[in-house]
Amino acid sequence: KAGVTQTPRYLIKTRGQQVTLSCSPISGHRSVSWYQQTPGQGLQFLFEYFSETQRNKGNFPGRFSGRQFSNSRSEMNVSTLELGDSALYLCASSLSQGPNYGYTFGSGTRLTVV
Amino acid sequence: LAKTTQPISMDSYEGQEVNITCSHNNIATNDYITWYQQFPSQGPRFIIQGYKTKVTNEVASLFIPADRKSSTLSLPRVSLSDTAVYYCLVGGSAAGNKLTFGGGTRVLVKP
Repeated sequence: KAGVTQTPRYLIKTRGQQVTLSCSPISGHRSVSWYQQTPGQGLQFLFEYFSETQRNKGNFPGRFSGRQFSNSRSEMNVSTLELGDSALYLCASSLSQGPNYGYTFGSGTRLTVV
Repeated sequence: LAKTTQPISMDSYEGQEVNITCSHNNIATNDYITWYQQFPSQGPRFIIQGYKTKVTNEVASLFIPADRKSSTLSLPRVSLSDTAVYYCLVGGSAAGNKLTFGGGTRVLVKP
């Protein structure tokens, strides 16, 4: 079956712009979570959505937001981009909320802010 | 918030057993412990998950002591293709629960 699909794979944006990343979970998975990965900070949890509702949120500023649609697809948005937002953004899906169901990760979107 | 700590790196040789320990002193009652493997330019891949005692699957074992303040991932007879970064994740399903990855352990398997 198809895995977790993230689009686009690569993105270059200018400081101050905004960006929207997309994630399509595995069919039947209702929970989608997002992570930021950087060499300095490692994997950091952004937020988790289940049934179109944000269930968990990490310690990121309000510039980072997300949403989930009725088909479980999710988008995350970063407004007013900063150089430090350059990172690999990973999306993961699971059958239900919480890591005890096991996450399946996508290959990520590499965002570069210049 | 369950802060996790892992060794930064470790080297091993083909055919040896590799054990990676993750410390999570503030683990909550409903937290599970999950380990992931990540190769460059890929997302993490699920290896194994446990709550307490020992769990074994076809690729690894996970040992969790009674106090659950640490866990050890055991990779038997590693091969060159096991060279990767390994992460432990501690968290539960409660709404608002924070999900905390360890810093990752870079495992290098040498021939």
